[in-house]
Amino acid sequence: NAGVTQTPKFQVLKTGQSMTLQCAQDMNHEYMSWYRQDPGMGLRLIHYSVGAGITDQGEVPNGYNVSRSTTEDFPLRLLSAAPSQTSVYFCASSRPAAGYTFGSGTRLTVV
Amino acid sequence: DAKTTQPTSMDCAEGRAANLPCNHSTISGNEYVYWYRQIHSQGPQYIIHGLKNNETNEMASLIITEDRKSSTLILPHATLRDTAVYYCIVPSGTASKLTFGTGTRLQVTL
Repeated sequence: NAGVTQTPKFQVLKTGQSMTLQCAQDMNHEYMSWYRQDPGMGLRLIHYSVGAGITDQGEVPNGYNVSRSTTEDFPLRLLSAAPSQTSVYFCASSRPAAGYTFGSGTRLTVV
Repeated sequence: DAKTTQPTSMDCAEGRAANLPCNHSTISGNEYVYWYRQIHSQGPQYIIHGLKNNETNEMASLIITEDRKSSTLILPHATLRDTAVYYCIVPSGTASKLTFGTGTRLQVTL
């Protein structure tokens, strides 16, 4: 039981490049979410999903796309990376009305 | 989500109980109170949640007032490893999404 697995752990992108942050969970959780945390700041919700095929926007969705084709996976796509997207990205999963399990994060730097 | 108010920071001596308060005066009758913590730059960690009865698990106890307008997270014997930012969250519905505030920075000292 690996919990929530995020890959890669570190990434450096050039401005304008695109990439996908991967998130997988093996707990059969319905809910999954993506957060970003800028240095010295709190976590902000980017997108979330309540089940396969269902996604919704959070507080800061611009510049990011998500899809949820399976229960296990919830990838986050950066369409055209910008320096303002330099952050630590956390993925999380949960059953309804239970506590979220968070991944260890992806540290992204956009130069 | 119901608005929550927490102190910005607190100190606690190692071995003592840490009592972290949270006000959530606009909480609705069916909304749960959740507590998470984030140690340094790690991913947040779920601690405990409750509706109206007091709850206890291996990590902490949660005391919710009878009117449910406030709660207290209790770490019974704080250690240096409990130094973290603690978040009190009251999400809507089935907690499909969480809104993190600024939390309480707990510093446990020798």
